[in-house]
Amino acid sequence: GAGVSQSPRYKVAKRGQDVALRCDPISGHVSLFWYQQALGQGPEFLTYFQNEAQLDKSGLPSDRFFAERPEGSVSTLKIQRTQQEDSAVYLCASRNTAGTGGKGYTFGSGTRLTVV
Amino acid sequence: GNSVTQMEGPVTLSEEAFLTINCTYTATGYPSLFWYVQYPGEGLQLLLKATKADDKGSNKGFEATYRKETTSFHLEKGSVQVSDSAVYFCALSDPGNAGNMLTFGGGTRLMVKP
Repeated sequence: GAGVSQSPRYKVAKRGQDVALRCDPISGHVSLFWYQQALGQGPEFLTYFQNEAQLDKSGLPSDRFFAERPEGSVSTLKIQRTQQEDSAVYLCASRNTAGTGGKGYTFGSGTRLTVV
Repeated sequence: GNSVTQMEGPVTLSEEAFLTINCTYTATGYPSLFWYVQYPGEGLQLLLKATKADDKGSNKGFEATYRKETTSFHLEKGSVQVSDSAVYFCALSDPGNAGNMLTFGGGTRLMVKP
């Protein structure tokens, strides 16, 4: 597609529920990133994929968070046993290159997760 | 580690006023610097960037200069419009980090009144 697509747009989960957030990057984009944006704050890095390889997951806040990109295109961020502090907007971004240069990052509109 | 600090908002201006949003950074390497803008209900959009010291990024009347000596990348616009109302994020990418991931500041909300 023309942009990065994220679904669902909004998700309300009961505390303890598992959720899965989907990201469809721009076709052919090598790099894919997930960020977490708490209310009133800047996005914070969660994890990075180069094709299907997860090269950096240092930003994942706990072992309840898991991300995958099995075929190097669509990615899913899964949060198990959601807690209230997981409430945030989850942003996905893709880039056509692995390193510097290229056309830069394209961000999706995000998934707003509210844990009640 | 890397970090970005920007002035807290909201910044409220009248139309045609001069805008400055301050941004300073800390980085271990030689980062590239960015300003992103987030309009309500939309994704982050790149506004401008600079990749080395003394570079000036500019777009849509906005500009920012990469100042290595003061580790700053302040955003300026000579005459703001109501349509500039949004949240602005300063960010850096460090080539020493895997994938050149972005490190963001906390964001500054700009409100422009007619």
